[in-house]
Amino acid sequence: DTAVSQTPKYLVTQMGNDKSIKCEQNLGHDTMYWYKQDSKKFLKIMFSYNNKELIINETVPNRFSPKSPDKAHLNLHINSLELGDSAVYFCASSHAVSPSGNTIYFGEGSWLTVV
Amino acid sequence: GESVGLHLPTLSVQEGDNSIINCAYSNSASDYFIWYKQESGKGPQFIIDIRSNMDKRQGQRVTVLLNKTVKHLSLQIAATQPGDSAVYFCAEKTSGNKLVFGAGTILRVKS
Repeated sequence: DTAVSQTPKYLVTQMGNDKSIKCEQNLGHDTMYWYKQDSKKFLKIMFSYNNKELIINETVPNRFSPKSPDKAHLNLHINSLELGDSAVYFCASSHAVSPSGNTIYFGEGSWLTVV
Repeated sequence: GESVGLHLPTLSVQEGDNSIINCAYSNSASDYFIWYKQESGKGPQFIIDIRSNMDKRQGQRVTVLLNKTVKHLSLQIAATQPGDSAVYFCAEKTSGNKLVFGAGTILRVKS
C-alpha cells in the first residue's frame, strides 16, 4: 500500500549508459515531481507534471527526459550518464500544481551511482 | 554514519528535552512553508506546514513558528525522542509555485 513508489532503489551504472527510474503513486494526485538530492543533502526540484503536462522544468540538462504516460506515473529517463549525475532521485506527488495547502508526498528515493 | 562528510548544522539534544530547529528563508513573497523530516535511507516526510497569514501552528509534539519580519521559521519538538533523530528541512513555496528546500539540519538525540 505504498503511496509513492519508485524503482529501482539502487542503481550502479557506467558513464555513458542510458537508464530509467520509474515512479507510481496510488494517492489519486494530479501532480507529480522529480527532485534530486546531492551528496550534501541539498534537495532541488527538477520537474513537475500536472495531469501529464510538464509544468516546471528547472534548467535540467536535456539528457534528462521525464515521461508521464498517465497522471499516476512519472518516469525519468537519463541519457549518456555522467559522474555528476550520481545522486538520490526522489519522486513525489501532490493534489494540485500549487503546493500551498497540499502536502507533497515523497517516495523512498532511487540511489544512482555512476562509475 | 550518514552524517560523515556532511557539513550541515547539527543539533544534539538529550532525550526528553525540547528541540528547536531554525531556518531562514529567502523570498519575502513566499506564502507557504513546510517542515520535512528525512530519516536515513528514506524520503522526506511531511511534519507540519504553515501559511504566511499565521505566525504559529501546533501539531502533535511539534510547533512551527513563522516570523515574516525577519524571514525566519522554526520547528519546535517537545520531549524529543530517539526516533526524532533525522535531517530536518524547511521548504518555502515561491512565486513559481515551486517548493524550495533549505539546506537541512541534523538532529541527534542522545539517550
